Amino acid sequence: GQQLNQSPQSMFIQEGEDVSMNCTSSSIFNTWLWYKQDPGEGPVLLIALYKAGELTSNGRLTAQFGITRKDSFLNISASIPSDVGIYFCAGLRSYGKLTFGQGTILTVHP
Amino acid sequence: EPEVTQTPSHQVTQMGQEVILRCVPISNHLYFYWYRQILGQKVEFLVSFYNNEISEKSEIFDDQFSVERPDGSNFTLKIRSTKLEDSAMYFCASSGQGISTDTQYFGPGTRLTVL
Repeated sequence: GQQLNQSPQSMFIQEGEDVSMNCTSSSIFNTWLWYKQDPGEGPVLLIALYKAGELTSNGRLTAQFGITRKDSFLNISASIPSDVGIYFCAGLRSYGKLTFGQGTILTVHP
Repeated sequence: EPEVTQTPSHQVTQMGQEVILRCVPISNHLYFYWYRQILGQKVEFLVSFYNNEISEKSEIFDDQFSVERPDGSNFTLKIRSTKLEDSAMYFCASSGQGISTDTQYFGPGTRLTVL
């Protein structure tokens, strides 16, 4: 089956630092989505990427759809305490089946 | 802002019992999905649904599972005879048309506990 390798698994950073996480796959995806999940809640969509090479920003968040269509990264600039949570990448090939990465647990120390 | 809603937020059931998880997708969306997340693991696809038919299902979605859109607003997941390993968070998602078909919005989830 399709696998997404998401790294790092966890990050411990100081408030104000920048964060970068990425996902890679051996398969091509047509869409990449990045979600944030707080404990006990559902994934909340952060950024959607639809074309290879696309670079999209949402406030302090920036994400890119890799040229090869097999990878994507998410950057968070100037982190704040409320950025704490689990970040998931998800890739879509067809028919609506999202394949999720294993998640990156982000901890921000004030 | 429109959102996906799910009920109940938590369901506790005995092994072998039937459960029905309910979802109200975003009102103008046409594509509906169920995912599950076992505690501490990643989110896994179960099934997609469009035009009153299943579009795709995963190997997890066996004969014990079924989905239905009984009216114009609800989307349900039924597990006929629950097993201990069905304990998980179940998320409903929906998406719209055109390029928005690819953008799935998730509900808050139902935590299912099978005893």
